[in-house]
Amino acid sequence: DAKTTQPNSMESNEEEPVHLPCNHSTISGTDYIHWYRQLPSQGPEYVIHGLTSNVNNRMASLAIAEDRKSSTLILHRATLRDAAVYYCILRDSHTGTASKLTFGTGTRLQVTL
Amino acid sequence: KAGVTQTPRYLIKTRGQQVTLSCSPISGHRSVSWYQQTPGQGLQFLFEYFSETQRNKGNFPGRFSGRQFSNSRSEMNVSTLELGDSALYLCASSFPGDTEAFFGQGTRLTVV
Repeated sequence: DAKTTQPNSMESNEEEPVHLPCNHSTISGTDYIHWYRQLPSQGPEYVIHGLTSNVNNRMASLAIAEDRKSSTLILHRATLRDAAVYYCILRDSHTGTASKLTFGTGTRLQVTL
Repeated sequence: KAGVTQTPRYLIKTRGQQVTLSCSPISGHRSVSWYQQTPGQGLQFLFEYFSETQRNKGNFPGRFSGRQFSNSRSEMNVSTLELGDSALYLCASSFPGDTEAFFGQGTRLTVV
């Protein structure tokens, strides 16, 4: 599986936007970019995914670079409940299955008042 | 609908014993995967089952095994427990063709 690189930690103030970066320079053409997050004492939960175009859903937005070597997860207004570890994961659309995921170390997001 | 259910939530075992953990996937989901999460190694994939067959396997010793039943419920077993097996064990399920996996809250295993 192609590797992703994320900062170990980030901080944000509540109500402000947060941009969580992910580098994936060895991404292949069939890899989807998935984001999951893990809240304290919980299992990971799906946030968003995309292939080439930017994506939006009720939780977040995903901005994908034109060369697909990096992406950014955007939380438009961080709340205390968004404090979690965020994982950027590449999943091959041809061979990968939804529940076989290769997690990296993720970014621990702290949100303060 | 009900989420992924893992039982028990907490477990304490002694070195050398064996343990069986259970996972009930979301109704209709036929793929079940297991993960081990430790502070040192993070989240690591153990194995995946689909329609009672192991489809993928991670890099873990043979002491770790699993199975899936006809109702898609899955169990994982760890034999001859070692202190290093202390971890949070997570189960995830998905529907064929789905893009997201749903995780349970995990079973925290402590080996003493």
